[in-house]
Amino acid sequence: NAGVTQTPKFRVLKTGQSMTLLCAQDMNHEYMYWYRQDPGMGLRLIHYSVGEGTTAKGEVPDGYNVSRLKKQNFLLGLESAAPSQTSVYFCASDDPGEGTEAFFGQGTRLTVV
Amino acid sequence: GDSVTQMEGPVTLSEEAFLTINCTYTATGYPSLFWYVQYPGEGLQLLLKATKADDKGSNKGFEATYRKETTSFHLEKGSVQVSDSAVYFCALSNAGGTSYGKLTFGQGTILTVHP
Repeated sequence: NAGVTQTPKFRVLKTGQSMTLLCAQDMNHEYMYWYRQDPGMGLRLIHYSVGEGTTAKGEVPDGYNVSRLKKQNFLLGLESAAPSQTSVYFCASDDPGEGTEAFFGQGTRLTVV
Repeated sequence: GDSVTQMEGPVTLSEEAFLTINCTYTATGYPSLFWYVQYPGEGLQLLLKATKADDKGSNKGFEATYRKETTSFHLEKGSVQVSDSAVYFCALSNAGGTSYGKLTFGQGTILTVHP
């Protein structure tokens, strides 16, 4: 049981390049999330999805796009990377309702130079 | 909006020392409160949670009590081990119990425990 898997684990981009981060979960969860983690700021929610085909903005959505074409996958795209997007990105998933728990992936460390 | 404030770090302790990491929050309504732990090179893992006032969450010797009157959720452990060295995040969810993945996090506290 892999849980939440993020691809890639590390990436270096040049300013202006584009890339897509993939998050895959095998727990059949309805909800999925993308967070970024920056020193001294904890994790901040970028975008999230409450089901296949749906997406919504979180706290810091600017510069990112997402898609949830399949229930098990949640893609985070950077169309034109900027140095301010250097961060560690975490994906998470859970199901609605009390008593549930959010499961996190191991993170993607992205550096934009 | 909602916010979570954790004590400044990093925290350095000797093995078997007592640990307290302070966490206070600001939120409307009745949020659920969490402590997550991040070991080096890994993702976040849920350590414990409390979903209503006066609830005590506990796991692996760690405890935290949901204090609505002081809007706090301080993490404590009576005797830390080297293996407890990690980053600890306090977080809240204010989704009305519909989801615990939409979280507001504190800034994290780095804990280092020496033998």
